Order: sequence, then C-alpha cells, then structure tokens
Amino acid sequence: QKEVEQNSGPLSVPEGAIASLNCTYSDRGSQSFFWYRQYSGKSPELIMFIYSNGDKEDGRFTAQLNKASQYVSLLIRDSQPSDSATYLCAVNFGNEKLTFGTGTRLTIIP
Amino acid sequence: DTEVTQTPKHLVMGMTNKKSLKCEQHMGHRAMYWYKQKAKKPPELMFVYSYEKLSINESVPSRFSPECPNSSLLNLHLHALQPEDSALYLCASRPGQWNEKLFFGSGTQLSVL
Repeated sequence: QKEVEQNSGPLSVPEGAIASLNCTYSDRGSQSFFWYRQYSGKSPELIMFIYSNGDKEDGRFTAQLNKASQYVSLLIRDSQPSDSATYLCAVNFGNEKLTFGTGTRLTIIP
Repeated sequence: DTEVTQTPKHLVMGMTNKKSLKCEQHMGHRAMYWYKQKAKKPPELMFVYSYEKLSINESVPSRFSPECPNSSLLNLHLHALQPEDSALYLCASRPGQWNEKLFFGSGTQLSVL
C-alpha cells in the first residue's frame, strides 16, 4: 500500500513567522510531488510542485524534496492570516493516480 | 480559458433519483479525473480518463457511472445513491504526461437524502 503521511495538526504559527509543513511517502521510486491548499468548503488549489531533489522557491513558498529520506516539505515565509487553510501533500507513485496525504490544518495567529 | 468548470455547484437528491454531474475544460488537457472528498478527509480517487478512455477505476460501486463523451467533457452519472455517498465531488484535469499537476474544478457538494 503506497501511502502519504502528514501531521494533521492543527499547526498554529504567529503572523509574520515561517510555517513549516512536512510530508513523508512510502515509495522510493516516486517522481512527482505537489502541495495543494484547501480552504474549508472549497476545492484544492495547487501551490507548489517539485520533481527534483533540493529546493524550489515561488514567492513566499519554498518546496523542499529529499528523495533519499522520502520526505517533502513546504515552507511559508511571512505567514499571513489568509494562509490559514488545510495543506495537502500529494504524490505520484509512478502512474496516473495522484495520492493525497490526510492534510495539515494551518492556523496563522494575528 | 484556464478553468475546470463543474456543474451543478450543489445537488440534493433522493436515493431513488438519477442525476448527473458535469465537468468541462477547454485547456486541451488529455486526462480528466473524478475524486470524492468527505469532510475533513483527503480527496479519494474514483476514476481517471486518459485520452478519452477509462484508465483507472478505483473499484467504485456501479451506482456511480463515468462517461467521457469527448476530451473536454466528463460526466458522472448517479443512480440509487446512499446517504453515505454525500460528499464533495471534485473533477480535475491534467495537461498530458502522467506525472504532471492536476487542476481542480470548484466541486459539486452532493447531499443524498
């Protein structure tokens, strides 16, 4: 069974601080990794994607991938109240199926 | 057009009703997906159509019947649903390669009475 695991939280971070979200996956052969943000009652919105080891930055967001340790993380700098949402980690395990983790609920405290 | 459009946004149906969910994209994407999401749970894959052919069926009960009339349109036909089928139904599309990102529609919130 190929799995994606996340700490469900809630994770509380002060406004302006860095939020760090982590995700581990079970298959060393996985090739593509995604972070989606989901507000309550809304659909998932793609935040970041990463295919290679290392860091990828886009504005306030940085995705980090370590295939040897089988983890992917998302850093949110200068956290804003609007960043409060559930963050879903998703992994392609070598086919068309995109498998989601259970999500981490993030709350930014003003 | 950079959107995946789902209709209706909300649907209430009885257990004896037949209804359909509709999904459209005009981005030229080659694969389309149906996911089901219960409250406070992650999306669960139901079906994948790739180049208009059903490529993945995650052992979904036959009361859910997918249809892909063309590369831009995906339907989910519903019949004799149960109250536990109440959920947010999400459609997504993928540009081409199997490992590319998915773009989600806004979803249909379904309630089965």
